[in-house]
Amino acid sequence: DAKTTQPPSMDCAEGRAANLPCNHSTISGNEYVYWYRQIHSQGPQYIIHGLKNNETNEMASLIITEDRKSSTLILPHATLRDTAVYYCIVRGLNYGGSQGNLIFGKGTKLSVKP
Amino acid sequence: GAVVSQHPSRVICKSGTSVKIECRSLDFQATTMFWYRQFPKKSLMLMATSNEGSKATYEQGVEKDKFLINHASLTLSTLTVTSAHPEDSSFYICSAEEDRAVGNTIYFGEGSWLTVV
Repeated sequence: DAKTTQPPSMDCAEGRAANLPCNHSTISGNEYVYWYRQIHSQGPQYIIHGLKNNETNEMASLIITEDRKSSTLILPHATLRDTAVYYCIVRGLNYGGSQGNLIFGKGTKLSVKP
Repeated sequence: GAVVSQHPSRVICKSGTSVKIECRSLDFQATTMFWYRQFPKKSLMLMATSNEGSKATYEQGVEKDKFLINHASLTLSTLTVTSAHPEDSSFYICSAEEDRAVGNTIYFGEGSWLTVV
């Protein structure tokens, strides 16, 4: 599975955009990038995922570079409730081409401050 | 978004007993479900992949006879921790993959806290 690299922690002011980077330089052509977040003592919450094109939904935007070696998750107007650990995961492919598992790294601890 | 429900959310059991945790996809079918465990201040660790109607695939180092997984329907997978010991105390989380084409979304349950005393 392609490995991802994320900063261990970030701070963001409430109301500002939070931009969370992720490097995945070994990603292959058919591997998707998924983003989840986990608030303390809860299961991970799905945020967004994408392959090549930028994606946007009601929670966030995902910007994937043209070479696909990195991506950025954007929370447009961060609130205190967005404080969580954010995981960037590249979902690998099994032998035979089927999609593999989600393997979690250490993620980025985002702290949104008043 | 799609909902995955786990039950119970918290359970305390005595050493040597077995405990079952259920994982249900409430509004979609899930051929594939996944089970994770998480220790305090650590990331999620994949334990096994559960496929409806077939045997689960366990990750290296996970004892299949201790962590029994059953995926009897497209909306339900269960994890049974057999002969539980205090070191099995952990946060257990399931996830379910919405059956679609490539690029499926995987949704996680709320997690189940297991305490073995």
